[in-house]
Amino acid sequence: SQTIHQWPATLVQPVGSPLSLECTVEGTSNPNLYWYRQAAGRGLQLLFYSVGIGQISSEVPQNLSASRPQDRQFILSSKKLLLSDSGFYLCAWRGQGMTYEQYFGPGTRLTVT
Amino acid sequence: AQSVTQLGSHVSVSEGALVLLRCNYSSSVPPYLFWYVQYPNQGLQLLLKYTSAATLVKGINGFEAEFKKSETSFHLTKPSAHMSDAAEYFCAVSGGGSYIPTFGRGTSLIVHP
Repeated sequence: SQTIHQWPATLVQPVGSPLSLECTVEGTSNPNLYWYRQAAGRGLQLLFYSVGIGQISSEVPQNLSASRPQDRQFILSSKKLLLSDSGFYLCAWRGQGMTYEQYFGPGTRLTVT
Repeated sequence: AQSVTQLGSHVSVSEGALVLLRCNYSSSVPPYLFWYVQYPNQGLQLLLKYTSAATLVKGINGFEAEFKKSETSFHLTKPSAHMSDAAEYFCAVSGGGSYIPTFGRGTSLIVHP
């Protein structure tokens, strides 16, 4: 069966510090991968998605970036965090040849102080 | 273009009462529709999905939803609420070759003893 992991689970970082969040998927090959952010009391905002290694599409221009160095690994990064980057970050995957549903990881709670 | 409207940001019910969470969608192509549940500080979990087969879809935890094309609705119901159903619920629409779903803003279900 497929499993998705995210780490760290929680993170407290000062403004201006770098960020690296990691997402990995097990039990599937060539998944579509997605990064979402949930700000407090708000819905889901799609940040990036990837259909393959090295292929990244950005949905929201900002100081975040994403990379996909391996088939089942998706990384969210920032060189300098802003207060507005605080939120709950969710990684999701969709399998090739499946229907349209996505499967989500457990999330990372980021607090920028 | 696709959109989702979830009526009511908060729904409050008593334990044992009927749960009804409303979702209306707009889509220019045959839609795929989903309900997800999110417990505090966790990722989203797929409750059920409509993929153009039966219009009445049964999901996990006793939830079901009915696709009504004429009303462009996909409301989520459960005959008897449990305290453990308290969570955030998201409706989503996808389809037409777009593997990026559009999510509603979510409805918080509150269950009173």
